[in-house]
Amino acid sequence: DGGITQSPKYLFRKEGQNVTLSCEQNLNHDAMYWYRQDPGQGLRLIYYSQIVNDFQKGDIAEGYSVSREKKESFPLTVTSAQKNPTAFYLCASRAPSGGATEAFFGQGTRLTVV
Amino acid sequence: KNQVEQSPQSLIILEGKNCTLQCNYTVSPFSNLRWYKQDTGRGPVSLTIMTFSENTKSNGRYTATLDADTKQSSLHITASQLSDSASYICVVSASGGYNKLIFGAGTRLAVHP
Repeated sequence: DGGITQSPKYLFRKEGQNVTLSCEQNLNHDAMYWYRQDPGQGLRLIYYSQIVNDFQKGDIAEGYSVSREKKESFPLTVTSAQKNPTAFYLCASRAPSGGATEAFFGQGTRLTVV
Repeated sequence: KNQVEQSPQSLIILEGKNCTLQCNYTVSPFSNLRWYKQDTGRGPVSLTIMTFSENTKSNGRYTATLDADTKQSSLHITASQLSDSASYICVVSASGGYNKLIFGAGTRLAVHP
């Protein structure tokens, strides 16, 4: 099946810990994105990557880091510097990176700080 | 500032009834407008994508309209079903650069029997 897969579905983090959220796609898409979703707000862009080995900060990149070593994979690390990490995180991919092309979303990871 | 505003915030309707969700945007330069359906705890799924030249687009019981002059869009749901209960998100794409997607906060629809 072609698609975009996020794991884990639920993740718990202790104060001061870094955690990494996985995002894998087999759609052969060049562009991948990470969004954060909070109740009552629209999705906000954390980081995006238009091609392998390249990525750019989105609107709320502070406290997050990413890598894009392979076309299929775009993991997101939530660092201890992110002061309010509890949220629903969504990964998306798109090809090509622009125009009226559909963006496909993963099923999300719900991160909770305990 | 690029913004997408949706109304109402939430809506309750009875099964079988129709409803219309609204989206107003101030995004420039405009590339396209999308409607997504998001079930609770899941990722959004695309319903329609409309470019500047398209006024209406249908996907089954979902019909989206776009008025690029007034910068308004609507999503009409016909003969609602219980499975239509979800959040509906309006997303506007700005052209140029990496074609940034600007998301509305969504309308939460509940269809009751």
